[in-house]
Amino acid sequence: NAGVTQTPKFRVLKTGQSMTLLCAQDMNHEYMYWYRQDPGMGLRLIHYSVGEGTTAKGEVPDGYNVSRLKKQNFLLGLESAAPSQTSVYFCASSRQGREAFFGQGTRLTVV
Amino acid sequence: GENVEQHPSTLSVQEGDSAVIKCTYSDSASNYFPWYKQELGKRPQLIIDIRSNVGEKKDQRIAVTLNKTAKHFSLHITETQPEDSAVYFCAASKEGSSNTGKLIFGQGTTLQVKP
Repeated sequence: NAGVTQTPKFRVLKTGQSMTLLCAQDMNHEYMYWYRQDPGMGLRLIHYSVGEGTTAKGEVPDGYNVSRLKKQNFLLGLESAAPSQTSVYFCASSRQGREAFFGQGTRLTVV
Repeated sequence: GENVEQHPSTLSVQEGDSAVIKCTYSDSASNYFPWYKQELGKRPQLIIDIRSNVGEKKDQRIAVTLNKTAKHFSLHITETQPEDSAVYFCAASKEGSSNTGKLIFGQGTTLQVKP
């Protein structure tokens, strides 16, 4: 039982490049979330999903897209990376909004 | 939209003293309030949570109180130890039929416990 796994753990992108972050959970959770963590800003919700095939915008969705084609996976895409998207990204999942379990985080640097 | 404010942003205490972190929320329909601890370089992990049908919950040295009228909740850590040093996050969401799926976090409090 791996819990929540994020891929990759580290990445450096050039401005304008695109990439996809993968989150996988093996707990059969309905809800999944993507957060970004910046110093002094806490955990800010980017997008979330309450079930397979559904997605919704969070607090800071601009510049990101997501997809939830399978219940266990939640993908976060950056179409054209900007330096302002340099951050640590966390994925999380929960059973209907209860305790959230987090992945180990992805440290993304955009140069 | 929903908003969660957390204070203070940093807190330094002597080992053995108590620490209190406070949060306020904007959505009166919120009914689930978890607290997470994040050690340096690690992922956030749940340490305690409270639902709106109770006013206080304790688990050994940690406790959480909730004031629904004032829309604020607090984390209390007694007899602090160096291993309590971490970043603490409060959060708010809605469980049950009114659950929209959103889990909104406060800005975090960096707690330092000095030996």
